[in-house]
Amino acid sequence: SQQGEEDPQALSIQEGENATMNCSYKTSINNLQWYRQNSGRGLVHLILIRSNEREKHSGRLRVTLDTSKKSSSLLITASRAADTASYFCAPGTGNQFYFGTGTSLTVIP
Amino acid sequence: DGGITQSPKYLFRKEGQNVTLSCEQNLNHDAMYWYRQDPGQGLRLIYYSQIVNDFQKGDIAEGYSVSREKKESFPLTVTSAQKNPTAFYLCASSVRESSYNEQFFGPGTRLTVL
Repeated sequence: SQQGEEDPQALSIQEGENATMNCSYKTSINNLQWYRQNSGRGLVHLILIRSNEREKHSGRLRVTLDTSKKSSSLLITASRAADTASYFCAPGTGNQFYFGTGTSLTVIP
Repeated sequence: DGGITQSPKYLFRKEGQNVTLSCEQNLNHDAMYWYRQDPGQGLRLIYYSQIVNDFQKGDIAEGYSVSREKKESFPLTVTSAQKNPTAFYLCASSVRESSYNEQFFGPGTRLTVL
């Protein structure tokens, strides 16, 4: 399946710092989504970037997509303790997308 | 208040028993999904349904069954044939089945086999 692989698996930063998470995938995609999951909860959609887009912003989130390298990154600027969660990428092809194993982000107050 | 609900939040099952997890949505979405999440892992697709009375196997359907008799409801039965059912189960829905549509998730059901 077209599963994304996030890197790093875990990330710990101080409040106010920026957090960068990366996602790699193996085959061609139509789009890529990022989701967030607070511990023991369902996932929440953050942003979708299409294969013909290189960068997209939403509030403190910035997503990039490099289809030649089959990779995407999620940048959270000026992190807050409330950003502590797991973040998943989901590369999409056709009607399906598949979630990666996630990056666990801890923001220390 | 629109959304997707799952019940129960916690479920305990004895070995050899079948259990059914409930998933209901009032978002008028055509597509619904069931995922399984194990500790520290991503989500794996069990079953999905694009429309009422139709559903398809995902990557790990063995030991599970579903039905889609109503648009709003997509219950998942974990049968005794599922060898390692202890996990966190997430239900999701989307407007239709497409990689361009975001999925909306329920709060999950944590199943423990005793």
